[in-house]
Amino acid sequence: ETGVTQTPRHLVMGMTNKKSLKCEQHLGHNAMYWYKQSAKKPLELMFVYNFKEQTENNSVPSRFSPECPNSSHLFLHLHTLQPEDSALYLCASSQVRTGGPSYNEQFFGPGTRLTVL
Amino acid sequence: LAKTTQPISMDSYEGQEVNITCSHNNIATNDYITWYQQFPSQGPRFIIQGYKTKVTNEVASLFIPADRKSSTLSLPRVSLSDTAVYYCLVGPLNTGFQKLVFGTGTRLLVSP
Repeated sequence: ETGVTQTPRHLVMGMTNKKSLKCEQHLGHNAMYWYKQSAKKPLELMFVYNFKEQTENNSVPSRFSPECPNSSHLFLHLHTLQPEDSALYLCASSQVRTGGPSYNEQFFGPGTRLTVL
Repeated sequence: LAKTTQPISMDSYEGQEVNITCSHNNIATNDYITWYQQFPSQGPRFIIQGYKTKVTNEVASLFIPADRKSSTLSLPRVSLSDTAVYYCLVGPLNTGFQKLVFGTGTRLLVSP
């Protein structure tokens, strides 16, 4: 148990559906991340929210829309996805420290296994 | 960020020591070496981090030679539950969030 929960754990959706992935962290962290892990490919960073502000968007298609209403919750809204978007979507959080460089260990949730038909 | 090279897979037996080596020839002066572990259907988990020489914690040891162009993660007396993918990451400490760049990792299979 890492302190980061994700729901649902599994999701099957059609290409015309709209769904949302939810992530919640119970660690008091101030940064949250979405990653995508496709079969046979490395983890790819999708979005970063730092103090609820989106600070990174790694050229992610607009059919993926993140939302961070507060520092504990992160959503990934999905619409008109393609079969190649099928993957494990992982959420992570970390505590960003100020006052100088430091390593901010990321704590990952269990992921949502998404299948797009 | 420095590119890393790891073996794709390794096999071991319970009770053995496992050493996974990572090459990072272009490591920069301010880069640190970090290892994450990922079990099937779970997110990665931080194992250990170091800059030079040797670092040890309750899970593993990390050996880094003087030139820092490679590093070795050592898992003492592995068990079946150590079957996982192990990622070597190289990058600087940041004043902000940490941008992790994962490679393909090393898939370790521990057999009885």
